[in-house]
Amino acid sequence: VQLVESGGGLVQPGGSLRLSCTASGFTFSSYNMNWVRQAPGKGLEWVSYISTSSRTIHYADSVKGRFTISRDNAKNSLYLQMHGLRDDDTAVYYCARGIAVAIYYGMDVWGQGTTVTVS
Amino acid sequence: EVVLTQSPGTLPLSPGERATLSCRASQSISSAYLTWYQQKPGQAPRLLIYAASTRATGIPDRFSGSGSGTDFTLTISKLEPEDFAVYYCQQYGGSLMYTFGQGTKLEIK
Repeated sequence: VQLVESGGGLVQPGGSLRLSCTASGFTFSSYNMNWVRQAPGKGLEWVSYISTSSRTIHYADSVKGRFTISRDNAKNSLYLQMHGLRDDDTAVYYCARGIAVAIYYGMDVWGQGTTVTVS
Repeated sequence: EVVLTQSPGTLPLSPGERATLSCRASQSISSAYLTWYQQKPGQAPRLLIYAASTRATGIPDRFSGSGSGTDFTLTISKLEPEDFAVYYCQQYGGSLMYTFGQGTKLEIK
């Protein structure tokens, strides 16, 4: 069971970036997925959620209107399209699998993270 | 929005000692909604406990969770060297999904 993020990098304020997360070792289409970020030296902040079928999507207020989560179950992939990037979006971005039994239990598998630097 | 406050911010203890970490919610939440994670430097978070007291797969039984309402506790009965890390509590908040506490750093005394 593995999640591997990619797509991070250095971007100027106001710029855009698209993060990807590739899943392996489990049936990706059966799991809700999330993006969680962590600014340097700070705690964890949930960013976005997408249900198995993409029917339900939620965003943190801090990214609403700027970020778009999506998934391609045929490619076992999760995405985060980020526009209008700001300095405070600088963080390690993790993709994380939702616990299958119940949405409110949290996240049981995490990727290693990809670093986004806005400067 | 429910705010989670963890205490203490830093907890200095020695291997073999018992650790008690607190997570207090600004309003009552279902114990089903309370989750604990461990994070070591340079690593992703690791799920420890969900539904306040259910250990995740592969988590040693020295880790236990308890609590209800607004007060939740993560207890590590006898600290091993690999347990020194930052611990986060998290709660499910409906459409706001998940909020995290600010973390407790468990450090070697």
